[in-house]
Amino acid sequence: AQSVAQPEDQVNVAEGNPLTVKCTYSVSGNPYLFWYVQYPNRGLQFLLKYITGDNLVKGSYGFEAEFNKSQTSFHLKKPSALVSDSALYFCAVRGAGGNKLTFGGGTRVLVKP
Amino acid sequence: DAGVIQSPRHEVTEMGQEVTLRCKPISGHDYLFWYRQTMMRGLELLIYFNNNVPIDDSGMPEDRFSAKMPNASFSTLKIQPSEPRDSAVYFCASSLASGSYEQYFGPGTRLTVT
Repeated sequence: AQSVAQPEDQVNVAEGNPLTVKCTYSVSGNPYLFWYVQYPNRGLQFLLKYITGDNLVKGSYGFEAEFNKSQTSFHLKKPSALVSDSALYFCAVRGAGGNKLTFGGGTRVLVKP
Repeated sequence: DAGVIQSPRHEVTEMGQEVTLRCKPISGHDYLFWYRQTMMRGLELLIYFNNNVPIDDSGMPEDRFSAKMPNASFSTLKIQPSEPRDSAVYFCASSLASGSYEQYFGPGTRLTVT
């Protein structure tokens, strides 16, 4: 069975400071990893993905994520957070041979001015 | 493309009534997923379809829930009879069968059962 853990329910950061949202996963075979963002009263929006290749993946709105196979992690990062980045962030994993995404519990990010 | 379309956006109904949620996936997508989101349980996959055929319905909570996909451009999630504990936001998502498989979500239907 595949699983995703987001150990922090909430992350608080000051505007302009770097932002990191943590994610670890468990899956059989090579993972397909995704980050989504959800703004209030909206659906989930795709941010970025790792399938293969370079371990550092760049996505929308200045976000990037680093795949670390040995630590089974896929942490989301942004060098300089904006107040508008305040939202709920979900990490998801898809194992080889299946089409289901397993989502983590979500991490709420609050960026203070 | 207009993205995944869901209707209604909000539904308020009384316990015992039938509720039907609707979804139009992105044109050309082969997979369609129904999720439920609550504060207590987070985001749960209820059922998903491939080429209009249900593949995995293990997440459907009980027999009161049913889902259909009569064609490639339309799916319904029905709850009959509805109960207050069904109150949640229900999302539909779609994806391609090949490539990187990212799912694209609709805006959701907020269901309140009183």
